[in-house]
Amino acid sequence: GAVVSQHPSWVICKSGTSVKIECRSLDFQATTMFWYRQFPKQSLMLMATSNEGSKATYEQGVEKDKFLINHASLTLSTLTVTSAHPEDSSFYICSASGTQGAQPQHFGDGTRLSIL
Amino acid sequence: GDSVTQMEGPVTLSEEAFLTINCTYTATGYPSLFWYVQYPGEGLQLLLKATKADDKGSNKGFEATYRKETTSFHLEKGSVQVSDSAVYFCALSASGSGGGADGLTFGKGTHLIIQP
Repeated sequence: GAVVSQHPSWVICKSGTSVKIECRSLDFQATTMFWYRQFPKQSLMLMATSNEGSKATYEQGVEKDKFLINHASLTLSTLTVTSAHPEDSSFYICSASGTQGAQPQHFGDGTRLSIL
Repeated sequence: GDSVTQMEGPVTLSEEAFLTINCTYTATGYPSLFWYVQYPGEGLQLLLKATKADDKGSNKGFEATYRKETTSFHLEKGSVQVSDSAVYFCALSASGSGGGADGLTFGKGTHLIIQP
């Protein structure tokens, strides 16, 4: 089946640093990628949608200058948390879909981000 | 806005018991509905889906029927196994597509524990 790889799986860093998370579709071309955030015992919340070669569309309340998303190729999207602070600590999950949305999303394993 | 409500766990059952996990939704238009499963230490995997009213999705012995009149998509399995222990997420795609065109709205997840 379709595979989405997310890296790193866990990162700890100091407050004020920037962190980049990669999301790769390994065996299909991802025309659309999504980024979600999950708080403990809460549902996944959509942060943004990105289409290859276009600017990401952010959900209401998500700071685009804080969470930079780049989808430069059909197999790679990155999420950069800029000047991270403890409140940005969370579980971030990416997903990818191909065939212009006709098929379901395939999810990465997630990245646990801890800001000290 | 759109929302998904599912029963909160943990749900603990004995092996071979009958399983029902309730899921109801609110949405404008005609959404597609999904069940995702997350096994320990792994990412979300699509379990089954239904894209229109009265459709029944099925996979690995699990079934769910899209009930528009009750806005529900309950997950059922006739005889659970220990290997079914996981977190189950009900989700909807507002666009009514195959699920890859727009971000999904998730329920909070139900932790299922199957005891031998």
